[in-house]
Amino acid sequence: DVKVTQSSRYLVKRTGEKVFLECVQDMDHENMFWYRQDPGLGLRLIYFSYDVKMKEKGDIPEGYSVSREKKERFSLILESASTNQTSMYLCASSTLDRARNEKLFFGSGTQLSVL
Amino acid sequence: AQTVTQSQPEMSVQEAETVTLSCTYDTSESDYYLFWYKQPPSRQMILVIRQEAYKQQNATENRFSVNFQKAAKSFSLKISDSQLGDAAMYFCAYRTLEYGNKLVFGAGTILRVKS
Repeated sequence: DVKVTQSSRYLVKRTGEKVFLECVQDMDHENMFWYRQDPGLGLRLIYFSYDVKMKEKGDIPEGYSVSREKKERFSLILESASTNQTSMYLCASSTLDRARNEKLFFGSGTQLSVL
Repeated sequence: AQTVTQSQPEMSVQEAETVTLSCTYDTSESDYYLFWYKQPPSRQMILVIRQEAYKQQNATENRFSVNFQKAAKSFSLKISDSQLGDAAMYFCAYRTLEYGNKLVFGAGTILRVKS
């Protein structure tokens, strides 16, 4: 069974803390994505990566950075967490090959609360 | 940039009845993919149905079907014979064929199923 695993289901952090959200996929996918989900706004793309050490900004990258040192792992970093970063964070992956299954595979999400 | 609009924040349907969820999108591209994803309380995103823009035939998956109107940029989801397990948040999504294959999501529609 294909799997995208996010390290934490719930996380509570303090304002100003450095926060790491980890995501691992076991499908050898080239593409990986970080979205945040907020009520009334749907899912918005923070960053994505199409290869190891490669990254592209999404629609709302401010306040976030990412790291992809290995193909299977994509980390989202909040350098100094703020209360407006309280949200649900979803990681996803997909293959680059258009001839194969094009859908996104999602993790179960991390609900982050910044106090 | 592409945008996706879901104008119905909430919908209700009686068990065994039919319901239609609306979605419109804006793009200048001629080739793309459209998706409906379901997110139950478990938070796991589940692909319901996908449509390739160059295919005129509407996609169908068991009780789920779409009405794809390319000229009108409309992509509605019809759920027939609604079941209690269909209760969830439903997201419409657009996927560009640009490098990275990222998805743009709508704000979502909460579907409630009444017994």
